[in-house]
Amino acid sequence: GENVEQHPSTLSVQEGDSAVIKCTYSDSASNYFPWYKQELGKRPQLIIDIRSNVGEKKDQRIAVTLNKTAKHFSLHITETQPEDSAVYFCAASQYSTLTFGKGTMLLVSP
Amino acid sequence: DTAVSQTPKYLVTQMGNDKSIKCEQNLGHDTMYWYKQDSKKFLKIMFSYNNKELIINETVPNRFSPKSPDKAHLNLHINSLELGDSAVYFCASSPSRVGAPNTEAFFGQGTRLTVV
Repeated sequence: GENVEQHPSTLSVQEGDSAVIKCTYSDSASNYFPWYKQELGKRPQLIIDIRSNVGEKKDQRIAVTLNKTAKHFSLHITETQPEDSAVYFCAASQYSTLTFGKGTMLLVSP
Repeated sequence: DTAVSQTPKYLVTQMGNDKSIKCEQNLGHDTMYWYKQDSKKFLKIMFSYNNKELIINETVPNRFSPKSPDKAHLNLHINSLELGDSAVYFCASSPSRVGAPNTEAFFGQGTRLTVV
């Protein structure tokens, strides 16, 4: 089955800095890579996703890059704000259920 | 207009009891899931149902039994609860169909189960 590794487990940045979270996956057949944000006590919610036919996708301050050859993908958040503080999960799948990474707790200090 | 709703939100119960968590989605999705989130925040798939049929059954104790009476509902019944079952359980749904590319999963608000 699919195995997703996510790093770092905790990331602390100052407001305005950029944050990068990296994930690797094991199944070369995986073709869908979403990122979820989970605020404290809330449900995970999709913030951006990318499919394997695309190398990069951007949505305002958030971007995701995918390197299929190396089997890794990354989340980039620019100009971080305190409200970006949350746990971020990457995931990978082909046709079946999403396999999640173990999460990154992002702390943005004012 | 809640998309994926699960009840109860909190559940405190004694070891050995049997309990159920209910989940309903009004999005018309074909696929529903149960995930377990432990104290370290790791989200682990437990079950996946597509059109009322079990698709994935990860390595979970057989004390956990999902039931899907129809496409919009996926309930989770847990027998003989143990301390280690304490976690947050999330129901989710997605429009994914078997054999088709996967898409976004929408999560319920979670059920925090505490076994004492």
